[in-house]
Amino acid sequence: AQSVTQLDSHVSVSEGTPVLLRCNYSSSYSPSLFWYVQHPNKGLQLLLKYTSAATLVKGINGFEAEFKKSETSFHLTKPSAHMSDAAEYFCVVSDLDTGRRALTFGSGTRLQVQP
Amino acid sequence: NAGVMQNPRHLVRRRGQEARLRCSPMKGHSHVYWYRQLPEEGLKFMVYLQKENIIDESGMPKERFSAEFPKEGPSILRIQQVVRGDSAAYFCASSLLGGQDEQYFGPGTRLTVT
Repeated sequence: AQSVTQLDSHVSVSEGTPVLLRCNYSSSYSPSLFWYVQHPNKGLQLLLKYTSAATLVKGINGFEAEFKKSETSFHLTKPSAHMSDAAEYFCVVSDLDTGRRALTFGSGTRLQVQP
Repeated sequence: NAGVMQNPRHLVRRRGQEARLRCSPMKGHSHVYWYRQLPEEGLKFMVYLQKENIIDESGMPKERFSAEFPKEGPSILRIQQVVRGDSAAYFCASSLLGGQDEQYFGPGTRLTVT
């Protein structure tokens, strides 16, 4: 069965400093991986997705993530945090090989950005 | 192109009442997914539907919960005889194709059971 582990439930950074949100996954040979962001009392917005093309994936708002098969990781990074980045971030896996279309979500990482 | 629409955005029900949550997918999308988010948790898959068919309901509680996606109109998630533990945010997503196709999420319905 596929699963996602987000290693930090809370991350706090200062504005202008780098952001690293860690994610490890367990899946079959060909997973698709996503990062979604959820602002307070809002729906989810797709930041980026990996679907077996380039291992370094660029998303919206300056975020990017690198797929590392050997480490089963898909960490999310951003060079310089902005106050508006404060939100909940979810790492998500979808495993076509199992035939299921459902997304499996991690438990989330709450990002705080200090002025 | 309007996004995924959900209504109501907030719903308050007393224990024992019924809750009906509606989801209109993006234009042209025929795949709908329902997820539930309990406080301080990630989203959990409930059910996947295509027009007039339930494809995967492995995440649905066995009792009181049902879902439909009729040929015309929105998808409906129905919870009968609600209990306090049903209080959560319910999100709907839609996709153009199934499989690995990107899912677009609605703003959610926050159900509170008093």
